[in-house]
Amino acid sequence: NAGVTQTPKFQVLKTGQSMTLQCAQDMNHNSMYWYRQDPGMGLRLIYYSASEGTTDKGEVPNGYNVSRLNKREFSLRLESAAPSQTSVYFCASSEALGVADTQYFGPGTRLTVL
Amino acid sequence: DQQVKQNSPSLSVQEGRISILNCDYTNSMFDYFLWYKKYPAEGPTFLISISSIKDKNEDGRFTVFLNKSAKHLSLHIVPSQPGDSAVYFCAASGTGSARQLTFGSGTQLTVLP
Repeated sequence: NAGVTQTPKFQVLKTGQSMTLQCAQDMNHNSMYWYRQDPGMGLRLIYYSASEGTTDKGEVPNGYNVSRLNKREFSLRLESAAPSQTSVYFCASSEALGVADTQYFGPGTRLTVL
Repeated sequence: DQQVKQNSPSLSVQEGRISILNCDYTNSMFDYFLWYKKYPAEGPTFLISISSIKDKNEDGRFTVFLNKSAKHLSLHIVPSQPGDSAVYFCAASGTGSARQLTFGSGTQLTVLP
């Protein structure tokens, strides 16, 4: 039982390049989330998927897209990376959004955009 | 405007003593509160939670207190151990537009041997 897994662990991009961050969970959770963590700012929600087949914007969605591929997998895509997207990205999952919900996090992807 | 605030970026405590981490919130829609612990190069891990119908929840060395009238919660760690050294995030969620988790900025706890 691996919980929430993320790939890659590290990535360096040049401005304008694109990439997809992958996330998978094996806890049969309905809801999945993408956050970014920047120094002094805690975790900010980028996008979430309350259930398979649905996605919604969070607090900071600009410059990102997501795909809920199936119940297990939720990917985050940067179409044209910018230095402001340098951050640590965390994927999380939970049984059900908004019901005394506890989220479980992956180990993170450290992204640097030059 | 930050809806969940952790005003102390860092806290140092001697091993064996009590650590008290504080968190304030502004959104009255929040009714569920959590603490997460984060070690460097790892994801946050769930520590303890409390529902707004309670004012205290205990789990071993960790106790969370909720003061709804003051919109304040705190995490007590007794006794503190060097392995508790980590960043602690407070988070809150509620219903409707507040149903996503909102995180504070974190407090770095250092427990000195």
